[in-house]
Amino acid sequence: SQELEQSPQSLIVQEGKNLTINCTSSKTLYGLYWYKQKYGEGLIFLMMLQKGGEEKSHEKITAKLDEKKQQSSLHITASQPSHAGIYLCGAADVAAGNKLTFGGGTRVLVKP
Amino acid sequence: ETGVTQSPTHLIKTRGQQVTLRCSSQSGHNTVSWYQQALGQGPQFIFQYYREEENGRGNFPPRFSGLQFPNYSSELNVNALELDDSALYLCASSRVAGGTQYFGPGTRLTVL
Repeated sequence: SQELEQSPQSLIVQEGKNLTINCTSSKTLYGLYWYKQKYGEGLIFLMMLQKGGEEKSHEKITAKLDEKKQQSSLHITASQPSHAGIYLCGAADVAAGNKLTFGGGTRVLVKP
Repeated sequence: ETGVTQSPTHLIKTRGQQVTLRCSSQSGHNTVSWYQQALGQGPQFIFQYYREEENGRGNFPPRFSGLQFPNYSSELNVNALELDDSALYLCASSRVAGGTQYFGPGTRLTVL
């Protein structure tokens, strides 16, 4: 079965600073999803990557999938308090209705 | 907001009892997936329903069962509740079985 490992598990950044979260898979990724979760709430879809080398951006958040499709990174530029939360990467299992296997999450706190 | 709704928001049950959680999918979506998220962990896939049929199941015992109705809303039933069933239960809907999943706010279940 596929396993995803996220690093770091948690981080505290000063408002205005950049941050990067990594997601490493035990198998080739055929679809990699990034979600954000506020504590105890539902997941908010951020981006989906499929192709090796693909990069997508939305506002101040950029996600990349490496060429070998086994690692993805999420980068936030000039962080704001609204970026605080838990970031989760999820790998799609296309043979099983696109069920998602998630990493353990990265908890982000932005200090004003 | 995703348009996916879940009820109830919170629930407290005792060991051995049975519980039913409900999910209304986003308009136009025919697939619903259920996930269990224990505190401090990533969500774990329970099962998926596509057009009223189970379309994949994770590593959960048979006491976890589900239904999908003709309007594509769904129920998750858990029998013989155990303390370890305490978690946030998330449902997600997608336009098709392999599409991007959009999550509801979750139901927090506490088993005493």
